[in-house]
Amino acid sequence: AQSVAQPEDQVNVAEGNPLTVKCTYSVSGNPYLFWYVQYPNRGLQFLLKYITGDNLVKGSYGFEAEFNKSQTSFHLKKPSALVSDSALYFCAVRDGGFKTIFGAGTRLFVKA
Amino acid sequence: NAGVTQTPKFRVLKTGQSMTLLCAQDMNHEYMYWYRQDPGMGLRLIHYSVGEGTTAKGEVPDGYNVSRLKKQNFLLGLESAAPSQTSVYFCASSHMTGGNQPQHFGDGTRLSIL
Repeated sequence: AQSVAQPEDQVNVAEGNPLTVKCTYSVSGNPYLFWYVQYPNRGLQFLLKYITGDNLVKGSYGFEAEFNKSQTSFHLKKPSALVSDSALYFCAVRDGGFKTIFGAGTRLFVKA
Repeated sequence: NAGVTQTPKFRVLKTGQSMTLLCAQDMNHEYMYWYRQDPGMGLRLIHYSVGEGTTAKGEVPDGYNVSRLKKQNFLLGLESAAPSQTSVYFCASSHMTGGNQPQHFGDGTRLSIL
């Protein structure tokens, strides 16, 4: 069965510093991996996805994610954090079927 | 360009009451989903649909029913609301082309059952 783990409930980072939000996954076969962001009182918004190819995926708002097959990880990164990046981030995995499994979410807090 | 629209945005019910949550999408997506979001648990799939007239159970279907009479609409029903169904409900849709398409979400319905 497929699963997703986000080991950190919250990540704190100072504005201008690099940020990493961690995600590990378990899926049979080739994974489709996604990152979504949720702002207060809003639905999830798609940030980026990994399907196949380059291990470094670039997405919206300057975010990128690094796929590591041997470590079954898909960490979200940004070189320089902004206060406006503060939000709830979800990693998700799909095995090519109809269902997507979401992680529990990681709250990112960027301090000015 | 509305995307996915959910109504109502907020609702308070008493235990045992029934209600229907409405979801509409204007992107001509084949797939539609209903999730519930609870603190620390991420999103859990309630029911989903792969096309007009079809529905299937997700991870937590008990106490809910759904219907997809039109391609653009996906309705979630609570026949007899229970306090355990207090949650934020999200509708989502996606294209049908394999598993590599992201989902598009509405802004949620915040439901409290007293």
